[in-house]
Amino acid sequence: QVQLVQSGAEVKKPGSSVKISCKASGATFNSYSISWVRQAPGQGLEWMGGIIPIFGTTNYAQNFQGRITVTADESTTTVYMEVNSLRSEDTALYYCARDPFPGTVPVGMGYWGQGTLVTVSS
Amino acid sequence: AIQLTQSPSSLSASIGDRVTITCRASQGISSYLAWYQQKPGKAPKLLIYGVSTLQSGVPSRFSGSGSGTAFTLTISSLQPEDFATYYCQQFANYPFAFGPGTKVNVK
Repeated sequence: QVQLVQSGAEVKKPGSSVKISCKASGATFNSYSISWVRQAPGQGLEWMGGIIPIFGTTNYAQNFQGRITVTADESTTTVYMEVNSLRSEDTALYYCARDPFPGTVPVGMGYWGQGTLVTVSS
Repeated sequence: AIQLTQSPSSLSASIGDRVTITCRASQGISSYLAWYQQKPGKAPKLLIYGVSTLQSGVPSRFSGSGSGTAFTLTISSLQPEDFATYYCQQFANYPFAFGPGTKVNVK
C-alpha cells in the first residue's frame, strides 16, 4: 500500500522560507518520479518541480526556478521541498505526488499526499 | 514551455449524459497526457495516463483519446459521483504543466 504522508500546516512571514516533507512508504522509494504540485485557494493545479531520487535529478518550473529546492533522503524515504522568499501569493495547499510506475519517463501522478497548507501572512 | 488549454471551462450535465472535455497542447506531446479528477477538499485522482490507459480501479465509463496536440476525456454516462473538476497534464517535456481545469456541474 503506497502512502505519501506530508508534514503539517505552516504559517510563515513574507520573505521567510518553508520546508515541507513527504514521506513515502509501501514501495521502493528511489525509482519513482516524485513531484510537488500546489493549489492556491479556489484555483487550479500548478506543477512546481520534481525529483527522481535514484538519479538525483531535479526539474523545476520556470516560475519557481531559483526559489525552490527539491531534495530526497533515501535513508528515510522522504522527499523535501524548500520554498524561499515567500510572498502572500504562495499561500496554497502543497501536494507531493508519485508516478505509478518506476523509471525515468513519468506518465502520471497516481499517488498523492494529503496536502500541506502553507499560509504566508504578515 | 508547453501550455495546455481546456474547453469548456465548465459545463452543466445530467445523470446519464455523455460528457466530453477537450485538452489542447501548444505543441505536440505524443501520448504523454494524463487526466485527473478532483473533488472539493480532496487530492486529485489519476484517471487516465498515456492518453487512453485507464488507471487501475477507474470505471470504464471514463475514456481518453487523441494524439499530437488535441485530446479528449469522455464520460460515457455521467454518474452522481462524477461531478468534479477535471484536469489534463502533459509529461512530454518539463515543466509538466496542467490544463486550467473543467468543472462539471449538476444541470
